[in-house]
This record gives sequence, C-alpha cells and structure tokens, in this order.
Amino acid sequence: EVQLVESGGGLVQPGGSLRLSCAASGFTFRSSAMNWVRHAPGRGLEWVATFSATTTNTYYANSVRGRFTISRDNSKNTLYLQMDSLRAEDTALYYCAKDWQLDSWGLGTLVTVSS
Amino acid sequence: DVVMTQSPLSLPVTLGQPASISCRSSQSLVHSNGDIYLNWFQQRPGQSPRRLIYQVSNRDSGVPDRFTGTGSGTDFTLKISRVEAEDVGTYYCMQGTHWPRAFGQGTRLEIK
Repeated sequence: EVQLVESGGGLVQPGGSLRLSCAASGFTFRSSAMNWVRHAPGRGLEWVATFSATTTNTYYANSVRGRFTISRDNSKNTLYLQMDSLRAEDTALYYCAKDWQLDSWGLGTLVTVSS
Repeated sequence: DVVMTQSPLSLPVTLGQPASISCRSSQSLVHSNGDIYLNWFQQRPGQSPRRLIYQVSNRDSGVPDRFTGTGSGTDFTLKISRVEAEDVGTYYCMQGTHWPRAFGQGTRLEIK
C-alpha cells in the first residue's frame, strides 16, 4: 500500500524558511515522479513543484519559482521542499503526491506564515 | 500558461439524481505523444484529495462506475450518474500535459 507522510510544517515569520519532508513507502520511490501541491484556506488546490523520476528535472509554479526548491533522496525514499523568503500567501496545507499524474496523496502538513 | 475553467462552481444535487461538471482548458491538452492528460480529483470534507479519473476517462481503482469522464481537446466533463451522500465534496480537474500544471477552481457538490 502506498503511504506518503508529510512533516516539517509549522508557524514561521514572513521572510523565514522552512523545509518540508515527505516519507514514502509501498512503491518504488526512485521510479516515481513526485510533487508538492498546496491548499490555502478558502482557496482551491495549487500545484507547487515536481521532481522527475529518472532525471534531475524540476518544475515550479510561477508563484514559488526562485523561493522554493524541490529535492529528493532516493536512498531515504524522501521528498523535500525547501521554502525560503516565505510570504503570508504561502500559508496552506502542503501535500506530497506521487507520479506525474498525482495518483496518490499524503495527509498534508500545515504551514502558517504570520508575524 | 494553461488556464482550467470549471463550471458550475457550486452544484446542489438531490440524492439519486445525476450531476455534471464541466472543465475547459485554454489550450489543447493533447500531449506530443498523442495522449491527453486530464485528471479529476475528489476532495471530501476534511480529507486529502483523491484521484478519480486519469487521461480523461480512466477510473482509478476502487472508484464507483457511477463516475464517468469524457471529453477531448479542450472540453471535458465529469458525470455522476446517481449522486450518493458520500459524493459530497469539492471536485477539481487538473491538466497534466503542459508545464506549469494547473487545477480548475473546484466545484463544490452538496446535497439539496
């Protein structure tokens, strides 16, 4: 059974940094593209970033490019999201999702950016 | 960038009646490999999103056959043949053909 468990969320001040993690199990992690998607309060889902499966290609939403960095450690079956220069509008529940077409999702980790 | 537009944004439905959600993309979603990467997700209240349909019309494992996806090019539809209480939630389409990926705004289905 696929399991994705996000962690690392919390309260951070504007301009601060946070690193999210997603621990994966139940599938061949190194063979799967992985994604971060967020859900801000009162808003819809927003795709954030993708890390490809077999190359080092990464893709970002315009709203986070240059501030967020997606990475992965295949030896640890873990996906990361380094978030720098955080803004109030980055406040959201952050999900990791498996595969190019997001076929499985975790429960999410909450990030709150506020002074 | 591709923009995904859903309608309606709110959908009150009587139990046992059909429901239909439209999703339109600002550009064709036909990939260079010929496939169309249009997905539908369901998010029940308090739960994570769950993929229902991939590549326009393929149901994911465990998805009831009352859910049907159709469409081509830029015009797509999710239909529920007979709405049940467990279908309450928000439905999103998402294009997986172009970068950046894009979701529709979401359609909130409620029981009338």
